[in-house]
Amino acid sequence: DTGVSQNPRHKITKRGQNVTFRCDPISEHNRLYWYRQTLGQGPEFLTYFQNEAQLEKSRLLSDRFSAERPKGSFSTLEIQRTEQGDSAMYLCASRPPSGQGTEAFFGQGTRLTVV
Amino acid sequence: RKEVEQDPGPFNVPEGATVAFNCTYSNSASQSFFWYRQDCRKEPKLLMSVYSSGNEDGRFTAQLNRASQYISLLIRDSKLSDSATYLCVVTTNQAGTALIFGKGTTLSVSS
Repeated sequence: DTGVSQNPRHKITKRGQNVTFRCDPISEHNRLYWYRQTLGQGPEFLTYFQNEAQLEKSRLLSDRFSAERPKGSFSTLEIQRTEQGDSAMYLCASRPPSGQGTEAFFGQGTRLTVV
Repeated sequence: RKEVEQDPGPFNVPEGATVAFNCTYSNSASQSFFWYRQDCRKEPKLLMSVYSSGNEDGRFTAQLNRASQYISLLIRDSKLSDSATYLCVVTTNQAGTALIFGKGTTLSVSS
């Protein structure tokens, strides 16, 4: 499968625990995005990487959230001290370099439930 | 004002109907526009890009009005399989600029 891959698909955690999600983008895509989506809402932008550089972060991304893309390939999103309000679907998307296509391809997401 | 706003929906239409969705955006520097489709509990997938001159893909027509800062999606001859949520997406194409999604409009086509 050469699409965007996200792991795990589902995560149930207790309030206060830390969780980490992984995203493997399509191999030649240098642009990577993280979104959060709750029921009845569109995807809300969290952060954007171009290669290994984190170029943009949403105000939604509190200091409990951190994302990395150390080698410009896969990315991780960590949530520390999870809260019930963090329960959502976390989506990752990747796009090819500017000028080589504009479509963003999404992974199937990681569904987080905080109990 | 939200960056991207869409018709609230839901739209409930019979098969064969024509339905139109509108979307407005607040950033006048926006350069690229898309419609994505999202099925229940699935990831969003590109339906079509929206070009300045307007574009058509089968039963789907997208239009852009830069002066009024809105884009539209027209679906003709609706099929049951068109039932989904349609997401309006805007970006400025500048480095460090994200794809911004609207909340989505839900379409339900019934027989």
